Amino acid sequence: DAKTTQPTSMDCAEGRAANLPCNHSTISGNEYVYWYRQIHSQGPQYIIHGLKNNETNEMASLIITEDRKSSTLILPHATLRDTAVYYCIVRVGVNRDDKIIFGKGTRLHILP
Amino acid sequence: ETGVTQSPTHLIKTRGQQVTLRCSSQSGHNTVSWYQQALGQGPQFIFQYYREEENGRGNFPPRFSGLQFPNYSSELNVNALELDDSALYLCASSLPGYEQYFGPGTRLTVT
Repeated sequence: DAKTTQPTSMDCAEGRAANLPCNHSTISGNEYVYWYRQIHSQGPQYIIHGLKNNETNEMASLIITEDRKSSTLILPHATLRDTAVYYCIVRVGVNRDDKIIFGKGTRLHILP
Repeated sequence: ETGVTQSPTHLIKTRGQQVTLRCSSQSGHNTVSWYQQALGQGPQFIFQYYREEENGRGNFPPRFSGLQFPNYSSELNVNALELDDSALYLCASSLPGYEQYFGPGTRLTVT
């Protein structure tokens, strides 16, 4: 079973910041938080990951709470092309081979 | 740098038949994972190959089998197809433990 809980769906106005929450209260000390997204009928796309520090890349920012039990993915200026299902995943970090267990994700609708 | 590619894009098979799906991994990646995604669901892990050996398997019956070749490309074989095998089949390549990069998938329809 997935170790994360996400809202089923969210709406966000185009141009605004989209904040997608994720709960992972049973996360272990060596598990990273990963985010992927899947645009309709395409393969999932890697967005960002982090262990305990906040992370930022060209796509998004990841804010992880100090107790690591929850996180928020931030898309700073959402566009219509960001409409997708967003998956929050926890998995063991580098130097280990491991599978990704996907939950149901959050369906994000960007509204014009 | 070439991304992950899969073939064919779409496939229609009859119940009881066998199917082979193919995946070419991203350059430099030696690990390939396969996932099944039914309509409206998240992808489900089938198995993973690392350097030509199976390295983990999800809750799928033995009629789902795979191979990885010396160039790290991979095949997924499904025997005795059932209607419930209709799904999008995704492969992802990576270095061990690092982020996985997914291909566009193969849409399999079993009639």
